[in-house]
Amino acid sequence: TQLLEQSPQFLSIQEGENLTVYCNSSSVFSSLQWYRQEPGEGPVLLVTVVTGGEVKKLKRLTFQFGDARKDSSLHITAAQPGDTGLYLCAVHTGNQFYFGTGTSLTVIP
Amino acid sequence: DTEVTQTPKHLVMGMTNKKSLKCEQHMGHRAMYWYKQKAKKPPELMFVYSYEKLSINESVPSRFSPECPNSSLLNLHLHALQPEDSALYLCASSPLGTRSYEQYFGPGTRLTVT
Repeated sequence: TQLLEQSPQFLSIQEGENLTVYCNSSSVFSSLQWYRQEPGEGPVLLVTVVTGGEVKKLKRLTFQFGDARKDSSLHITAAQPGDTGLYLCAVHTGNQFYFGTGTSLTVIP
Repeated sequence: DTEVTQTPKHLVMGMTNKKSLKCEQHMGHRAMYWYKQKAKKPPELMFVYSYEKLSINESVPSRFSPECPNSSLLNLHLHALQPEDSALYLCASSPLGTRSYEQYFGPGTRLTVT
């Protein structure tokens, strides 16, 4: 059983559409991170959320941490081909770092 | 300098070869990591070094041997690999003693074992 389950696993959408990616767990975390990994590159940190209910915006990306700090969502508005990549949520807990199961996003021009 | 560098970018090796992957960071981070990643899957943790000491070894086969010569460098020595070891190998670093342990990744080494 994975500590962090992401959904959907794969997503292919047209340019201009909106989408939401979910990261769920049964555990409570003090913070949660989102990374994006473009093909052939390493993951890049997008945001860290630390407070239950917190909402952070990064241009067209909106990140939310659940009130109970067990889950998070990433919403992209008006997706562009440059948003294509693997989106990963991640947490540090119990002296270990864990990634979610990943969401592979393809934005078609 | 917020960059983690990895060399080489690509590596092709036979099953009897010995090679090494190198990673370097100059952000003063005292934790460094090796990950293995297959296509469109999340990175899988292999090793963690904290203060230049090996703190986590995720049951990695002995044909992978990590080394941390100093706080800025991390090596992964490869010997007698199998074709299924072909993958993207990522190095990362993070500060210790913070709340979130945010990780900074290098671009990876694409390894092909023939």
